[in-house]
Amino acid sequence: SQQGEEDPQALSIQEGENATMNCSYKTSINNLQWYRQNSGRGLVHLILIRSNEREKHSGRLRVTLDTSKKSSSLLITASRAADTASYFCATDFNSGYSTLTFGKGTMLLVSP
Amino acid sequence: DGGITQSPKYLFRKEGQNVTLSCEQNLNHDAMYWYRQDPGQGLRLIYYSQIVNDFQKGDIAEGYSVSREKKESFPLTVTSAQKNPTAFYLCASGTGNEKLFFGSGTQLSVL
Repeated sequence: SQQGEEDPQALSIQEGENATMNCSYKTSINNLQWYRQNSGRGLVHLILIRSNEREKHSGRLRVTLDTSKKSSSLLITASRAADTASYFCATDFNSGYSTLTFGKGTMLLVSP
Repeated sequence: DGGITQSPKYLFRKEGQNVTLSCEQNLNHDAMYWYRQDPGQGLRLIYYSQIVNDFQKGDIAEGYSVSREKKESFPLTVTSAQKNPTAFYLCASGTGNEKLFFGSGTQLSVL
């Protein structure tokens, strides 16, 4: 499968702690994106990182990309209960695919 | 409000019945997508359309059909040939592969 694989599948932390999720993929990409999904809702775009970028920040989010290892990480700092959701990486492969490919997601639970 | 609207939120299908899920967007996006999500799983692409009057099969198109007669609309029909239709269906739109905007989803269940 070409899809990205998130790790871990589930993560449980306390409010105020940092949460780190990882995404690995198999072929070269144009960009990699992270999305968030609250239970029973649609996905919301969080951040996009291009293949020539190594790190991006957006508020409490920090994304890194290591194209040599074909992996990305999403760090949420100072987590809040409202961050409880599933997080998906989506890859835009440059091998002729014309659509994004989504992973299976990491389910994050932040306890008060 | 700009956005993408899916309806209905919940839908029940009887054996042998075709049902149609609605997806409308007013974001002026050329591309629209239908995904299927099963519990604890990622998104699997059913169909996508990059321009009006044209669409392509995704990874799991069997048992589904679509049309794209207007830029704003991309309805999905779940036919009786789809033997396991119970899932959460998500519609999305976007420009290129930079960022997708998603609707709030339709939960389809079989009676």
